[in-house]
Amino acid sequence: AQKITQTQPGMFVQEKEAVTLDCTYDTSDPSYGLFWYKQPSSGEMIFLIYQGSYDQQNATEGRYSLNFQKARKSANLVISASQLGDSAMYFCAMRERNLIFGKGTKLSVKP
Amino acid sequence: AAGVIQSPRHLIKEKRETATLKCYPIPRHDTVYWYQQGPGQDPQFLISFYEKMQSDKGSIPDRFSAQQFSDYHSELNMSSLELGDSALYFCASSAGVRTGELFFGEGSRLTVL
Repeated sequence: AQKITQTQPGMFVQEKEAVTLDCTYDTSDPSYGLFWYKQPSSGEMIFLIYQGSYDQQNATEGRYSLNFQKARKSANLVISASQLGDSAMYFCAMRERNLIFGKGTKLSVKP
Repeated sequence: AAGVIQSPRHLIKEKRETATLKCYPIPRHDTVYWYQQGPGQDPQFLISFYEKMQSDKGSIPDRFSAQQFSDYHSELNMSSLELGDSALYFCASSAGVRTGELFFGEGSRLTVL
């Protein structure tokens, strides 16, 4: 069974607009971590944001915020004020012991 | 700050050859992970090591082996290479097995001809 589900294979957003990338997860472990990574066409895996399962507040890192809804098992990434350089693949991942990735969402920012 | 170092960055091999990828974790990180990402795919977990012992095993083929050395660097050995082994291989490191962020290297791109 898929542990991390990203239902949006591709998304478009206008430059300077905000965009939400969806992620749901499945685990019975009370202790886990949720991550978002950005992978540009050059291939490197860039860490964006982290949310621990016991964290009370939603994580924020600059223009990135994580909308963590524990009861719904969702961890959506919100990118505010999109920039052309945000065009990339975005992976949601969950850590129990190892990191398990979703299938990714390809974000394209339009000028 | 020092990051995870992977070498080589690019590697081209023929079918049935062998290849070795190296990974140098962030200093004081004791856990190393290997991931394989095929074209257009999400990264798949291969294997991990904690304190030089195998910690977890994922979808690593029997033709592949890996180890972590006393200086915590790790090597992934791939033998009898197949066309389907062409992929981006990531190494990541962390401080501890269950907690915190995994820091990824820039990846080693293997092409099998």
